Amino acid sequence: GQQLNQSPQSMFIQEGEDVSMNCTSSSIFNTWLWYKQDPGEGPVLLIALYKAGELTSNGRLTAQFGITRKDSFLNISASIPSDVGIYFCAGDTILSGNTGKLIFGQGTTLQVKP
Amino acid sequence: DAGVIQSPRHEVTEMGQEVTLRCKPISGHNSLFWYRQTMMRGLELLIYFNNNVPIDDSGMPEDRFSAKMPNASFSTLKIQPSEPRDSAVYFCASSLFSGGNTDTQYFGPGTRLTVL
Repeated sequence: GQQLNQSPQSMFIQEGEDVSMNCTSSSIFNTWLWYKQDPGEGPVLLIALYKAGELTSNGRLTAQFGITRKDSFLNISASIPSDVGIYFCAGDTILSGNTGKLIFGQGTTLQVKP
Repeated sequence: DAGVIQSPRHEVTEMGQEVTLRCKPISGHNSLFWYRQTMMRGLELLIYFNNNVPIDDSGMPEDRFSAKMPNASFSTLKIQPSEPRDSAVYFCASSLFSGGNTDTQYFGPGTRLTVL
């Protein structure tokens, strides 16, 4: 079936460090989305990517849509304590039949030590 | 603009009881999604609607689960009878799907369900 492999599963870093996480799949994706979930809340969209090779920034966050359309990464520069949370990649594949249905990765739990 | 609204935020019930979760999508959105989140299985899509019509309910665990969308501004997810293994956080999300690039799904705050 269609699956997203997100790594790493968890990260524990020092404030100020840069962070990188990625998602890969055997399927080709039309869209890649990156969400962040704070404790007790629903996921909130960080960055949306719509074209292969697209590189998009949102403040300290940068994400790229892989050229093969099978992967994406998210970088966070100069991490701060409020970056703590769970980060999810999500996307829709050409197999979804253009339905708007998303597949989610398993999430990367980020902890930042002040 | 109000985001996706879910109620209740927390629900504690006893095994065998009926549970109804409610969702109000963002006004103007035409797609609505119900997800379940657990530590073991992550985020799972249960069912989604497009223009109030259920499109894919293959993620619904079993017949105890049912979902309705009587109009564009309201949806319910019902579990009857509930079981302890149904304990999870249930999210509703909505999007404006135009048939082109997949539009962003906006999530509600979730309902944390505990079945004793």
